[in-house]
Amino acid sequence: SQQGEEDPQALSIQEGENATMNCSYKTSINNLQWYRQNSGRGLVHLILIRSNEREKHSGRLRVTLDTSKKSSSLLITASRAADTASYFCATVVRGSARQLTFGSGTQLTVLP
Amino acid sequence: GAVVSQHPSRVICKSGTSVKIECRSLDFQATTMFWYRQFPKKSLMLMATSNEGSKATYEQGVEKDKFLINHASLTLSTLTVTSAHPEDSSFYICSARDFGGGYTFGSGTRLTVV
Repeated sequence: SQQGEEDPQALSIQEGENATMNCSYKTSINNLQWYRQNSGRGLVHLILIRSNEREKHSGRLRVTLDTSKKSSSLLITASRAADTASYFCATVVRGSARQLTFGSGTQLTVLP
Repeated sequence: GAVVSQHPSRVICKSGTSVKIECRSLDFQATTMFWYRQFPKKSLMLMATSNEGSKATYEQGVEKDKFLINHASLTLSTLTVTSAHPEDSSFYICSARDFGGGYTFGSGTRLTVV
């Protein structure tokens, strides 16, 4: 089953702009991860944020986590055309067999 | 870094035949692998958790006789779609927990049943 929802479902921006994607989840988690998927390809891990962390940075990526609201956001700054892809949040549910459960995803298109 | 090799990347088969998809961890041992299914423009849905040396754990609604999973070694898990039908056409992706505790994904298999 799906853990949560992401919004927007689709986002189209110009190169150089920032892109913000949001993810909500339903149950208590150990951590939340963000993945990127190019069309028809596998997933690439972007960043992981633990349940006791509130914000994390990696290069042009900034992730926030609000466990009280069960939500997370991914910000991509100074976007590039090569950032065009689908972005998914995924959670490891506390007490689970450690499988990842994915959100519904955001399709990001960065126009040159 | 950890690498998971998934083959084939694309397969077309006739209705009623079976198709085997392999997922191999190349530089680490994976006691647990996960199989996902993805419909076009949709998210990944967990199908089953594959455990080395024991039976796979299937998610609710996934037919275990339809989707046979074998995890006979610490580096190889296979998913066999038996008696495939057009509605089984989909993108299948495997994932393994790597030595760092993270998750490494295969590149996916596009199955088309005609």
